[in-house]
Amino acid sequence: GAVVSQHPSRVICKSGTSVKIECRSLDFQATTMFWYRQFPKQSLMLMATSNEGSKATYEQGVEKDKFLINHASLTLSTLTVTSAHPEDSSFYICSAIGTVYGYTFGSGTRLTVV
Amino acid sequence: QQQVKQSPQSLIVQKGGISIINCAYENTAFDYFPWYQQFPGKGPALLIAIRPDVSEKKEGRFTISFNKSAKQFSLHIMDSQPGDSATYFCAASRNAGNMLTFGGGTRLMVKP
Repeated sequence: GAVVSQHPSRVICKSGTSVKIECRSLDFQATTMFWYRQFPKQSLMLMATSNEGSKATYEQGVEKDKFLINHASLTLSTLTVTSAHPEDSSFYICSAIGTVYGYTFGSGTRLTVV
Repeated sequence: QQQVKQSPQSLIVQKGGISIINCAYENTAFDYFPWYQQFPGKGPALLIAIRPDVSEKKEGRFTISFNKSAKQFSLHIMDSQPGDSATYFCAASRNAGNMLTFGGGTRLMVKP
């Protein structure tokens, strides 16, 4: 089956620094990747949708300059949280869709900003 | 606008019992309805999915019931086990390759 690898699984960073999260589709080409944010005991909140080679489409209320998304290839998308602050602490999850496989989620990244 | 409403928010079931989670949707254009299981600290994993051309789909202990006229669908977990304790999300989309709209989630606890 389809596998989406997300790294790192956990990261702790200092306030003001930037953090990059990678999402890779291991055995299929992902035409579209989604990035979600999940707060404790809550559902997944879509942050942005990215297609390979084009700019990401951000959901209303998501700061484009803070959450930089790059979908440089059909197997890799990255989310960079710039100038992170404690309120950015959350669980971030990517998912990918290919021409053969449907929605497949990564294992998530727990970001803690101190 | 919450297009997929899920209930209950939390559920406690005894081992061996039946767990039932319900979802209702508003957008009649939705034609793909998956259920995801999420364990703490992990991403959601596809459990089972249904399309509106069938009223029921069963995979092992998991069954989806679908009522197109009522715009409702539900997940039944038969012979619930402690290992089923997780958060379950229903979702809906316009075909399997499009963005999913998620329900609010149900935290299931199966007591031994």
